[in-house]
Amino acid sequence: DAKTTQPPSMDCAEGRAANLPCNHSTISGNEYVYWYRQIHSQGPQYIIHGLKNNETNEMASLIITEDRKSSTLILPHATLRDTAVYYCIVSLRIGSSYKLIFGSGTRLLVRP
Amino acid sequence: DAGVTQSPTHLIKTRGQHVTLRCSPISGHKSVSWYQQVLGQGPQFIFQYYEKEERGRGNFPDRFSARQFPNYSSELNVNALLLGDSALYLCASSYGGSGGYTFGSGTRLTVV
Repeated sequence: DAKTTQPPSMDCAEGRAANLPCNHSTISGNEYVYWYRQIHSQGPQYIIHGLKNNETNEMASLIITEDRKSSTLILPHATLRDTAVYYCIVSLRIGSSYKLIFGSGTRLLVRP
Repeated sequence: DAGVTQSPTHLIKTRGQHVTLRCSPISGHKSVSWYQQVLGQGPQFIFQYYEKEERGRGNFPDRFSARQFPNYSSELNVNALLLGDSALYLCASSYGGSGGYTFGSGTRLTVV
C-alpha cells in the first residue's frame, strides 16, 4: 500500500545534478515526504524530509510542489558513491507516531 | 555515538525453527520499527513500538511477534520458520513524532 510512484531506474553523469521525481497524489495534509537511499543491501540511509516547504541539507535538496502531489529530490553534484536505490516515502500516522511505507524505489546509476 | 545495532548480522535456520532478532536503538530514541526486506524489493513494515507499546502492525502472520524493553531495545520473534521468511530484517529507531528514522545494517536470515 505504498502511496508513492517513482521511475524504476535513472542514470546521470558524475558531477552533474541528479533529479529524482516522485508522485504522491493522495498525500494528506499532515503527512510528511521522506527520502531514503539504500546502498547494496545496507540499511536505508535517511536523506531529507519535508512537509510543504522546500528543504535543503548537506546531502540534498527537496522540492515539493505547491499542491504537495509530487516532489523532486536533487543531488546537486552526483558522485559514483551516490549510486543506490532511492526511496520516496509518505509517512503514515499511527496516533502520535509515524510509520514509513516503502515502495520499490528508483535505482540511480551514476556514470563516470 | 553508536548507531542502531542489530544482532546477529547473519543467521541460518531450518524450516520450523524459531528465531529471535535483537535491536538496540540510538540512545534517547524511544521508537523502534521492524522491517522485512526480501531480495529485490523495498522494506516491508512489520511492527512499530513506542514507549514499550505496540503502535502499529503490518500485514504479517501471527508467527511474527515483537516486544520493546524498558531500555527501549527490542526483539523480533518469528516462529515456525518458512523458506519465504528468508530476508534482511531491518530495525529502525527514532525519537518519536515525525522525525527521521535511523536504520541498522540488518540481520540476514536464511531459512533452509
